[in-house]
Amino acid sequence: QVHLMESGGDVVQPGKSLRLSCAASGFNFNSFIMHWVRQPPGKGLEWLAVISHDGSNRFYADSVEGRFTISRDNSKKMVHLEITGLKVEDTAVYYCARLDRPRNVEYFQYWGQGTLVTVSP
Amino acid sequence: SSELTQDPAVSVALGQTVKITCQGDSLRTYYASWYQQKPGRAPILVSYGNNNRPSGIPARFSGSRSGNTTSLIITGAQAEDEADYYCNCRDSNDYHMVFGGGTRLTVL
Repeated sequence: QVHLMESGGDVVQPGKSLRLSCAASGFNFNSFIMHWVRQPPGKGLEWLAVISHDGSNRFYADSVEGRFTISRDNSKKMVHLEITGLKVEDTAVYYCARLDRPRNVEYFQYWGQGTLVTVSP
Repeated sequence: SSELTQDPAVSVALGQTVKITCQGDSLRTYYASWYQQKPGRAPILVSYGNNNRPSGIPARFSGSRSGNTTSLIITGAQAEDEADYYCNCRDSNDYHMVFGGGTRLTVL
């Protein structure tokens, strides 16, 4: 069965960096586009970044462009999100999600359980 | 970038029908997907494309689209349907995705 599991969340000080990871299993990882989404406490979902199946294309939400870097290692079935210059407003649960797109209809059927990043002085 | 607009809160009497709407220009071009989220849990896909339901989602959940508006319809709402609901689709910037602000559904 498809399984996604995030890790790397921590309590960090503003200005520091953090690398989040998402381990995938149960499917042909290198055939799927992967995304990161976050959710600040008590707030809604925010799309962050996408990486193509082979890692050759990456795109970011305007709000995080320049500070966030998405990457993947298909040999290890992992996708990562590196965050630099952490801000208090980056405090959130971070989810990875697999994009399904049969016949160009797109949706996220599989999500990880999320990893919590807390940015605090 | 595009935006998707949802009503912040909607309520429905137990067993009645409720429509949760999502508006945005990108919905004229792209189909939306809908997610249910309960406190402390990851989102769950409940509807996608042209009124499709994933396996395991009750038939009382359905979707529709008209112009720049997409709707999630729950026919015969149950107590367990009380949750936050988010719409999502591709942004007008082709490579980005966007989520609606979410609708909190209360079942009375």
